Amino acid sequence: DSGVTQTPKHLITATGQRVTLRCSPRSGDLSVYWYQQSLDQGLQFLIQYYNGEERAKGNILERFSAQQFPDLHSELNLSSLELGDSALYFCASSVVGTSGGSSTDTQYFGPGTRLTVL
Amino acid sequence: AQKVTQAQTEISVVEKEDVTLDCVYETRDTTYYLFWYKQPPSGELVFLIRRNSFDEQNEISGRYSWNFQKSTSSFNFTITASQVVDSAVYFCALKVAAGNKLTFGGGTRVLVKP
Repeated sequence: DSGVTQTPKHLITATGQRVTLRCSPRSGDLSVYWYQQSLDQGLQFLIQYYNGEERAKGNILERFSAQQFPDLHSELNLSSLELGDSALYFCASSVVGTSGGSSTDTQYFGPGTRLTVL
Repeated sequence: AQKVTQAQTEISVVEKEDVTLDCVYETRDTTYYLFWYKQPPSGELVFLIRRNSFDEQNEISGRYSWNFQKSTSSFNFTITASQVVDSAVYFCALKVAAGNKLTFGGGTRVLVKP
């Protein structure tokens, strides 16, 4: 158990809908990352938040947005869903946001949320 | 930009055999970090090991060992005396010091048969 929690574990919805995925980082971690794992794209970085502020953006669609709350939990919002959005969405957390030569930026992953868009 | 290549898509072994997973990376950064993660059939991603670019010492941790060679940009991972519970997809990942994200390889599926 990494200490990162994600809810829900599974989500089935229809095209055009909107869903929210939730993540709670490990105790003491300030950074939260979101990744998408799909069969055709593999594991792709979406976005990172550090202590409530957006720190880095990857291949995140405009239909997707995220935020990190004062209690450090994070939510990933996916809207106008398409079939191609079906994937496993991971949240990861680390103590800090960037490397300092220590292991405090090692990212620990949650169990993932499997999203199926029908 | 960074890139990680895992040329082996699937490896099948019999229990107690050793398994070596290949990983080749590309980066222009001089300071970076390499990782191996395991994804068992249950789906979660489990952190296994981390290596810094400035430390090429190879180590052994239990049944896991790794061989980091900067000259060939390779970070290979070996499971000694494999067990059925080692069956999983293994991902190699790279993070540069100035960056935030992990860049993953495509993964290698390991199947350990009893």
